[in-house]
Amino acid sequence: GAGVSQTPSNKVTEKGKYVELRCDPISGHTALYWYRQSLGQGPEFLIYFQGTGAADDSGLPNDRFFAVRPEGSVSTLKIQRTERGDSAVYLCASSLGGRGAEQYFGPGTRLTVT
Amino acid sequence: GNSVTQMEGPVTLSEEAFLTINCTYTATGYPSLFWYVQYPGEGLQLLLKATKADDKGSNKGFEATYRKETTSFHLEKGSVQVSDSAVYFCALSSYNAGNMLTFGGGTRLMVKP
Repeated sequence: GAGVSQTPSNKVTEKGKYVELRCDPISGHTALYWYRQSLGQGPEFLIYFQGTGAADDSGLPNDRFFAVRPEGSVSTLKIQRTERGDSAVYLCASSLGGRGAEQYFGPGTRLTVT
Repeated sequence: GNSVTQMEGPVTLSEEAFLTINCTYTATGYPSLFWYVQYPGEGLQLLLKATKADDKGSNKGFEATYRKETTSFHLEKGSVQVSDSAVYFCALSSYNAGNMLTFGGGTRLMVKP
């Protein structure tokens, strides 16, 4: 079946611009996670959705970052006034939930802020 | 808070050598433990997991045992292949905290023929 998909695969933007990154989870997965991976590091948690609501957004670095999941499926991560430090690979994962549930990762969006 | 520490790489081995990648963790409660792998040009995928103390996860010849007394989850394989070359990430999740994953920094493994 179809896995998690993310678009675009690459995004280059100028400092100060607004960007949106999209995630299509596996159908039926109620839990959706966003992570950010900088070069040579492990992914870091940003935000977690259970259904339509953001259950935990404690990983968002500041108020320039925002994410939505209006219908409990597709999610969009939005970054305002981008900065060069926002350059990273943004990963999305989905899961059925439950103790020890596997998270299925998308291929990521590589964001470069020039 | 939760944290994961794993040995730094790169780890370079010859084919058929024995592999150990160390991983230790700090967590409250009873986390689930994972090893994820990232092959060149591919996304993160689950390699194996263990959800309670003394459980052993295994897959593709790799195995790791959940050791609560030493807070460790070391990855081992008896005989590595060139195709095992990848970056390996140890991670944990806490069910009562939303199951978000806390990752280690990753260990790059390079296997030479």
